[in-house]
Amino acid sequence: DAKTTQPPSMDCAEGRAANLPCNHSTISGNEYVYWYRQIHSQGPQYIIHGLKNNETNEMASLIITEDRKSSTLILPHATLRDTAVYYCIVRDKTSYDKVIFGPGTSLSVIP
Amino acid sequence: DTGVSQDPRHKITKRGQNVTFRCDPISEHNRLYWYRQTLGQGPEFLTYFQNEAQLEKSRLLSDRFSAERPKGSFSTLEIQRTEQGDSAMYLCASSLERGWVQVSAGANVLTFGAGSRLTVL
Repeated sequence: DAKTTQPPSMDCAEGRAANLPCNHSTISGNEYVYWYRQIHSQGPQYIIHGLKNNETNEMASLIITEDRKSSTLILPHATLRDTAVYYCIVRDKTSYDKVIFGPGTSLSVIP
Repeated sequence: DTGVSQDPRHKITKRGQNVTFRCDPISEHNRLYWYRQTLGQGPEFLTYFQNEAQLEKSRLLSDRFSAERPKGSFSTLEIQRTEQGDSAMYLCASSLERGWVQVSAGANVLTFGAGSRLTVL
């Protein structure tokens, strides 16, 4: 079973920041938080991952709370092309586990 | 390397027929996953390989399903005696898993193919 919970859907106005929350209250010290997204009819695409520090790359920022029980993916200036399903996943750094996806959050960016 | 390739992209078959999907992962990746996805759902885990070893199979993978990765490179997923409930997108993903080595940029990240869509009539 997925170790994370996410809201099923969210809307965001084009050009505004999209903040996608994820709850992972049972996360252990060895587990990383990964985010993927899936645009309609394509395979999921990696976005970003982190352990305990905030992370930023060219696609997004990842904010992890100090207790690591939740995180937020931030798309700073959402565009229509960011409309997708976003998946939050936790993984052990030993990485011998299988990767389980939950239902994710369906983000709709509205013009 | 152009990423993870899946073939065919679309397959329409009649109930009771056998179908086979192929996945060519990124060449240096040692881990390969198969997922199934139906409309409105997240990818459901089916099975995964570390090199040529099949490490785990989901209970979703009935006896009609078999997956192989004979030389630790490409993989095939075969469905025998297809049923209408098998209609779905079958996704393949690969990754370079480094175990205890500190996760670095690009490591332990899944790269997905575009998927193979199966329609069983």
